[in-house]
Amino acid sequence: QKEVEQDPGPLSVPEGAIVSLNCTYSNSAFQYFMWYRQYSRKGPELLMYTYSSGNKEDGRFTAQVDKSSKYISLFIRDSQPSDSATYLCASIPSGGYQKVTFGTGTKLQVIP
Amino acid sequence: EPEVTQTPSHQVTQMGQEVILRCVPISNHLYFYWYRQILGQKVEFLVSFYNNEISEKSEIFDDQFSVERPDGSNFTLKIRSTKLEDSAMYFCASGERLTDTQYFGPGTRLTVL
Repeated sequence: QKEVEQDPGPLSVPEGAIVSLNCTYSNSAFQYFMWYRQYSRKGPELLMYTYSSGNKEDGRFTAQVDKSSKYISLFIRDSQPSDSATYLCASIPSGGYQKVTFGTGTKLQVIP
Repeated sequence: EPEVTQTPSHQVTQMGQEVILRCVPISNHLYFYWYRQILGQKVEFLVSFYNNEISEKSEIFDDQFSVERPDGSNFTLKIRSTKLEDSAMYFCASGERLTDTQYFGPGTRLTVL
């Protein structure tokens, strides 16, 4: 079983739509949750970083973590063509481990 | 805004050759990492480095790989005898604290012929 799973997409939405991206994970030790954005042939760029369960909002982006169901979500409001990229969810376990475990990524295309 | 830099952006080498990939982490960061991403696959952890020693490594990071912080600013990944399957994007990352988020560099594309 993969530790972090994402639907690879691609997901195509019209400009201005609300986008919902989701991940599930299997490792109960995961405590830190991140969303990265990766443009083609570039490095992952951190979007959101949350600890344990709850919501976090930053501009047009909202991250949600539900540890009871092991479910991670990223919502993008008023999506823009520049949001077109691959979105990676990632987790780090508690206990001082540093290894980030990534999902395979969901490719998003926002159509003008 | 400070950022992680990596050189070269693209490295082409022959199978069996040694390569060194270089990274300059963000200056006040103490934790350093290498990841790789084979084309079309997910980003995979290779190794973490703190206080001049490896703190964690994956099963991918075998004896062909080594890391070094030769001075106060650079962090390198050496592959001793490259294989075709080492062809990938290699990302360096750094973090200020143990549980801090990791900031990634733009990557080095390694092509092994």
